[in-house]
Amino acid sequence: KQEVTQIPAALSVPEGENLVLNCSFTDSAIYNLQWFRQDPGKGLTSLLLIQSSQREQTSGRLNASLDKSSGRSTLYIAASQPGDSATYLCAVPLSYNTDKLIFGTGTRLQVFP
Amino acid sequence: DTEVTQTPKHLVMGMTNKKSLKCEQHMGHRAMYWYKQKAKKPPELMFVYSYEKLSINESVPSRFSPECPNSSLLNLHLHALQPEDSALYLCASSPRQGIGDTEAFFGQGTRLTVV
Repeated sequence: KQEVTQIPAALSVPEGENLVLNCSFTDSAIYNLQWFRQDPGKGLTSLLLIQSSQREQTSGRLNASLDKSSGRSTLYIAASQPGDSATYLCAVPLSYNTDKLIFGTGTRLQVFP
Repeated sequence: DTEVTQTPKHLVMGMTNKKSLKCEQHMGHRAMYWYKQKAKKPPELMFVYSYEKLSINESVPSRFSPECPNSSLLNLHLHALQPEDSALYLCASSPRQGIGDTEAFFGQGTRLTVV
């Protein structure tokens, strides 16, 4: 059974810091991993999709890495801003034959001025 | 257009009411989903429609009834809900089901309160 966990559960940092969010999964046979952002009471915004054959994916100040063998992905946020404050979720498909996403427990990020 | 649009944004309903949530996408995606999210928890899958046919029902109570009238629309009909059904209901779509490289796009959700 695939389980996805995220550490830390919450993080509070001053503006300008570079930070790393962690996502761990128990079954390394994943096909992709997706990072989302969720503002309070809102929907999910897709940030990055990293395929199982890729090791990294970048979008602006965001960089996601994937190490299937160790069951880990990291989301690196450079030069954090107050507008980055949100909950960040990672998710993996349950299997190749379904699009059921298994979500991580989330990291709640606060960036203060 | 990479939007998934959900209406209404907020809904308050009594336990004897019947209401519907609506979801629309115009990205040509052929898979659409309903997720339920309780406070401070990750989303949980409820239903998947693939090519307008129900392909996954995660043992959801019958008081939730999904409908996919066409490839762009997904409805969730609600009847005789319980207060514990209060949650954020999220709709999502992806280009196709069953392919490991699909990216899921989510709507902004409907905040449902059952009184």
